[in-house]
Amino acid sequence: NAGVMQNPRHLVRRRGQEARLRCSPMKGHSHVYWYRQLPEEGLKFMVYLQKENIIDESGMPKERFSAEFPKEGPSILRIQQVVRGDSAAYFCASSPPAGKAFFGQGTRLTVV
Amino acid sequence: AQTVTQSQPEMSVQEAETVTLSCTYDTSENNYYLFWYKQPPSRQMILVIRQEAYKQQNATENRFSVNFQKAAKSFSLKISDSQLGDTAMYFCAFMIYQGAQKLVFGQGTRLTINP
Repeated sequence: NAGVMQNPRHLVRRRGQEARLRCSPMKGHSHVYWYRQLPEEGLKFMVYLQKENIIDESGMPKERFSAEFPKEGPSILRIQQVVRGDSAAYFCASSPPAGKAFFGQGTRLTVV
Repeated sequence: AQTVTQSQPEMSVQEAETVTLSCTYDTSENNYYLFWYKQPPSRQMILVIRQEAYKQQNATENRFSVNFQKAAKSFSLKISDSQLGDTAMYFCAFMIYQGAQKLVFGQGTRLTINP
């Protein structure tokens, strides 16, 4: 059973471009969480999704950020018109209902 | 709102020594979970140990154990017989289980084990 897979591991975008981060949960996991880690800080919750539904997006910036978890395929975190302050490591975690969550290895986004 | 505070930004010990990392938290909830995660240079978040607040017995996992003081809202991690591979960032985290595993993390402690 493969772990939580995130890709790409590293992503470089110029200011104003779009960034798409992908997360494939572990087999059998229907819950996906996205976290952001700024340099030298802990992880901050962004959004919690189940298949085709956003359950809690209280940690998502109101503009430019969106997330989805379609019926088929990976969960996508999308950042439009990236700015330097978006540079961070973005982590995805997945869990079954009422089960333990496992983290992916993260995507490091660098905005130049 | 829940908060988690790790007051030690960095710690350094010699291999085979015992080290204790501190964590305090603030919540008005009575039922919750506490975690310690390890983040080595690879950036992978690795669950080290988990404690349910309703359990009085402190959790242990091999060389890792916690000292959970619910009244004091304190949750320290003890690493015995430290090894070079324990070098990493360590994050304390808090979660209220409400159908979602929404974790609140502390700022982290950078632990270095010296040979």
